Amino acid sequence: SQTIHQWPATLVQPVGSPLSLECTVEGTSNPNLYWYRQAAGRGLQLLFYSVGIGQISSEVPQNLSASRPQDRQFILSSKKLLLSDSGFYLCAWSKDRDSPLHFGNGTRLTVT
Amino acid sequence: DAKTTQPNSMESNEEEPVHLPCNHSTISGTDYIHWYRQLPSQGPEYVIHGLTSNVNNRMASLAIAEDRKSSTLILHRATLRDAAVYYCILRDRVDSSYKLIFGSGTRLLVRP
Repeated sequence: SQTIHQWPATLVQPVGSPLSLECTVEGTSNPNLYWYRQAAGRGLQLLFYSVGIGQISSEVPQNLSASRPQDRQFILSSKKLLLSDSGFYLCAWSKDRDSPLHFGNGTRLTVT
Repeated sequence: DAKTTQPNSMESNEEEPVHLPCNHSTISGTDYIHWYRQLPSQGPEYVIHGLTSNVNNRMASLAIAEDRKSSTLILHRATLRDAAVYYCILRDRVDSSYKLIFGSGTRLLVRP
């Protein structure tokens, strides 16, 4: 069966510090991968998606970047965090158009 | 992306059926209708999806209007664990990204 791992679960970082969140998927190959963010009390915003290794699409301009160095690994990064980067970050994967998105347990990031 | 319209919130009594409506008047012929729900402090969870015909699974039923401009998610017997935000989303079946764009959803409150 397929599983998605996302870590860390919680993170507190000072403004201006770098960020690296990692997501890995097991039990499938060539999945589509996604990063979403949910600010406190708000809806889910799609940040990035990837349809293959090295292929990244950005949905909104922001202080973040994403990379996919391996087939089942998706990384969300920032060189310098802003207060507005605080939120609940969710990684997800999907196999094909007839399959649902499967979400990880998320990382709650607080920038202080 | 085609838009969906849902009520901000709904209330139900435990063990009673719940009908969650969704309007999608600009739906295209290639859009699937997806429903997800998000429990507090968790990532979204797939509930059900359909294209034209009504669909049933162990979690819920999806009733799709004949003109596909609206749909209803039916929880046959609400439990306290069903209290969540329910999202109705249109997903383009020919879009190779398979991405989901979340709206604000309906917050379902279940009274004991």
